Amino acid sequence: EVQVVESGGDLVQPGGSLRLSCAASGFSFNNYEINWVRLAPGKGLEWVSYISSSGTNMYYSDSVKGRFTISRDNAKKSVYLQMNSLRGEDTAVYFCARAILGETGPFDYWGQGTLVTVSS
Amino acid sequence: EIVMTQSPATLSVSPGERATLSCRASQSVSSKLAWYQQKPGQAPRLLIYGASTRATGIPARFSGSGSGTQFTLTISSLQSEDFAVYYCQQYSDWPPEYTFGQGTKLEIK
Repeated sequence: EVQVVESGGDLVQPGGSLRLSCAASGFSFNNYEINWVRLAPGKGLEWVSYISSSGTNMYYSDSVKGRFTISRDNAKKSVYLQMNSLRGEDTAVYFCARAILGETGPFDYWGQGTLVTVSS
Repeated sequence: EIVMTQSPATLSVSPGERATLSCRASQSVSSKLAWYQQKPGQAPRLLIYGASTRATGIPARFSGSGSGTQFTLTISSLQSEDFAVYYCQQYSDWPPEYTFGQGTKLEIK
């Protein structure tokens, strides 16, 4: 069974840092591209970041570029999102999502999300 | 950035009736369009990708159509479990700058 589980969400002060983790199981992890998507309170889904299957290519939304860093460890079947210089508008549930094999965009498996709250 | 606009924001439909949701892209995305369903406290669920291909395990009452800039998600006969928020997503951009619509809330009439 395919499973994706996020962790690491917490309450953090503005300007602070946090590292989210995404642990995968039930599929050939090193063949799949992984993304982070977030859902802020009262808002819609927002794509945050992408990492290729090998970890060579990473991309970010303009809203997080320069502050967030995505990485992966295929041996541990895990993806990480290092979040620095956090702002109130980063408050959201963060989802880890697997892209369909052979398709770069649609996400067929999602975790249940981890809540990040940025507040003093 | 490609802007995705969904309409209506809220749609009230009775169980058993048909629901039609719309999504418009600010520029052509070809058929690189997906639809998701999300219920409160749950992860989004992929329904449709490639504008019209149902994802694994999705019932046949869900169908997608369109290409270019205009897309439609149709739910042929609404079941109680279908009342949720629906998002469209374009994945045409490369390098990726995937964008979602703002969502359509499908509620019971």
